[in-house]
Amino acid sequence: QVQLVQSGSGLKKPGASVKVSCKASEYTFTRYAMHWVRQAPGQGLEWMGWINTNTGHPTYAQDFTGRLVFSLDSSVTTAYLQISSLKADDTAVYYCAQLCSGGSCDNVSWGQGTLVTVSS
Amino acid sequence: EIVMTQSPVTLSVSPGERATLSCRASQSVSSNLAWYQQKPGQAPRLLIYGASTRATGIPARFSGSGSGTEFTLTISSLQSEDFVVYYCQQYNNWPLTFGGGTKVEIK
Repeated sequence: QVQLVQSGSGLKKPGASVKVSCKASEYTFTRYAMHWVRQAPGQGLEWMGWINTNTGHPTYAQDFTGRLVFSLDSSVTTAYLQISSLKADDTAVYYCAQLCSGGSCDNVSWGQGTLVTVSS
Repeated sequence: EIVMTQSPVTLSVSPGERATLSCRASQSVSSNLAWYQQKPGQAPRLLIYGASTRATGIPARFSGSGSGTEFTLTISSLQSEDFVVYYCQQYNNWPLTFGGGTKVEIK
């Protein structure tokens, strides 16, 4: 059973950066891509992009280019989401997930979510 | 980008009754459509993929249908734990896109 465990919630000031981690276990890390999904308070789900866990190549959704960095540390089977120059409207729960994509649905798993609150 | 539109935004149904949720794609996504259930404070849970295949462990009261641009999630007899939010997601094209969600509430 795939497990994705994310880092804890945090409060950040505007202009700061945050790095969310997603520790994967119980499967071969390179088998499934890792996606990131944002959910603002009381709102729906927004796909932010994904990272190829074999090559480390990231792909960012158009609305999220510029301030995001997806990365991996395969030695500890962990994916990371870094957001720089935080703004108040970055306040959201961020999920790492394995999703149906490219016409295929090999595995779907979600992390528990990490709440990032941006406030002065 | 494929826009996914869910309707209604809120659906009021009595326990034990049937709920029918709709999801429309702005262009064909074939059968590459998933449905998720999300309870408050929890991550989404996959219910249906391939438009009509129930995910592992999902009760038979949940069913999906449709292809192309029109999809339906049916909950045959609503249980108390089913009164939450549901999302559709297409995975036929990049970028992946979600619908805005339907909240099923107790009538």
